[in-house]
Amino acid sequence: GENVEQHPSTLSVQEGDSAVIKCTYSDSASNYFPWYKQELGKRPQLIIDIRSNVGEKKDQRIAVTLNKTAKHFSLHITETQPEDSAVYFCAASRTGGSYIPTFGRGTSLIVHP
Amino acid sequence: GAVVSQHPSWVICKSGTSVKIECRSLDFQATTMFWYRQFPKQSLMLMATSNEGSKATYEQGVEKDKFLINHASLTLSTLTVTSAHPEDSSFYICSAPPRWGLDSYEQYFGPGTRLTVT
Repeated sequence: GENVEQHPSTLSVQEGDSAVIKCTYSDSASNYFPWYKQELGKRPQLIIDIRSNVGEKKDQRIAVTLNKTAKHFSLHITETQPEDSAVYFCAASRTGGSYIPTFGRGTSLIVHP
Repeated sequence: GAVVSQHPSWVICKSGTSVKIECRSLDFQATTMFWYRQFPKQSLMLMATSNEGSKATYEQGVEKDKFLINHASLTLSTLTVTSAHPEDSSFYICSAPPRWGLDSYEQYFGPGTRLTVT
């Protein structure tokens, strides 16, 4: 099955700085890579995703890059704000049928004002 | 998007009692639902997949007799924690599976249920 490693487990930055979270996956057939943000006591919510046919995707201050050869993908948040403070999870999956995304262990991002 | 609700949002129960958590799909029909458990500062651990009209599929290490899952209709899946113990205290979240084949593969989660066993 798929195995997803996520680093770092905790990331502390100053407001305005950039934050980068990295994930690696094991199944070369995985072709879908979402990132979820979970605030304390709330449900995870999708913030951005990327499919294996592209190498980078951007949405305002967040971007995701994918290196299929190395089997790793990263989340980039620029100009961080205190409201970006949350736990971020990456996931990887094949698409279709009964495939279930495998989640990373999560990164607690703390943005200091 | 798909809306998933859960009830209750939090529950406190005494050790040895059972607790039922409901997960409803409000604007779509769900033949499958995922149940996750999340301990503080940890990831989402898939416990089981409920299947409408048939038995649930449990992940390795999850006790079937302790975590009873029922998916009686296309809009309701339930998780019952039987003979709860303090170590069962956790955040339980249900989720609709990704809808492969559509434009968005987003996985819609319920708001979660905080279970505290005293």
